[in-house]
Amino acid sequence: ILNVEQSPQSLHVQEGDSTNFTCSFPSSNFYALHWYRWETAKSPEALFVMTLNGDEKKKGRISATLNTKEGYSYLYIKGSQPEDSATYLCASLDDYKLSFGAGTTVTVRA
Amino acid sequence: NAGVTQTPKFQVLKTGQSMTLQCAQDMNHEYMSWYRQDPGMGLRLIHYSVGAGITDQGEVPNGYNVSRSTTEDFPLRLLSAAPSQTSVYFCASSEGNRNEQYFGPGTRLTVT
Repeated sequence: ILNVEQSPQSLHVQEGDSTNFTCSFPSSNFYALHWYRWETAKSPEALFVMTLNGDEKKKGRISATLNTKEGYSYLYIKGSQPEDSATYLCASLDDYKLSFGAGTTVTVRA
Repeated sequence: NAGVTQTPKFQVLKTGQSMTLQCAQDMNHEYMSWYRQDPGMGLRLIHYSVGAGITDQGEVPNGYNVSRSTTEDFPLRLLSAAPSQTSVYFCASSEGNRNEQYFGPGTRLTVT
């Protein structure tokens, strides 16, 4: 089981502002890095799965980058909207087991 | 497609009771897993399966059993419930271990 850390634990963003946060994971024996979006009272939903160093993925206003050599991934939200309020989870895959971080909770203020 | 379904949604047990949390998926996914979610912690892997007839332990397997007799179903059994097992349980499935996981709606379990 991998030690996956996310920072910050929570953040508040003004509507329209952009923000980013970090996921750190062990760089050895890396298989894949997952990002999930988790809204209150719902189930986590996948945003991205990244496997290659230097991967960049984008879905609407949300994008992510991956550095497998140094063991980190950034998630970016451009022009935050109230509907972006959620907890964002990252998870690192070690062979068949996914280890999740504790999440970054984003609150977008109108 | 119903996706991943879980039953029940809520359950209250007394210490020492046993029960089975049901999980089913209709996407023909080979990989299924069970997680528990506790306040301030990320999702923790309990057990997982890479296909029918194959199961393995995750990070926190003690007190839980699983079986995978079909591709569709992956039940989680609590052998003798303890208050420490009070949690929200999520089942998930994916095409393979590197693919995105699809989560069920969760089961909120309270053990008194």
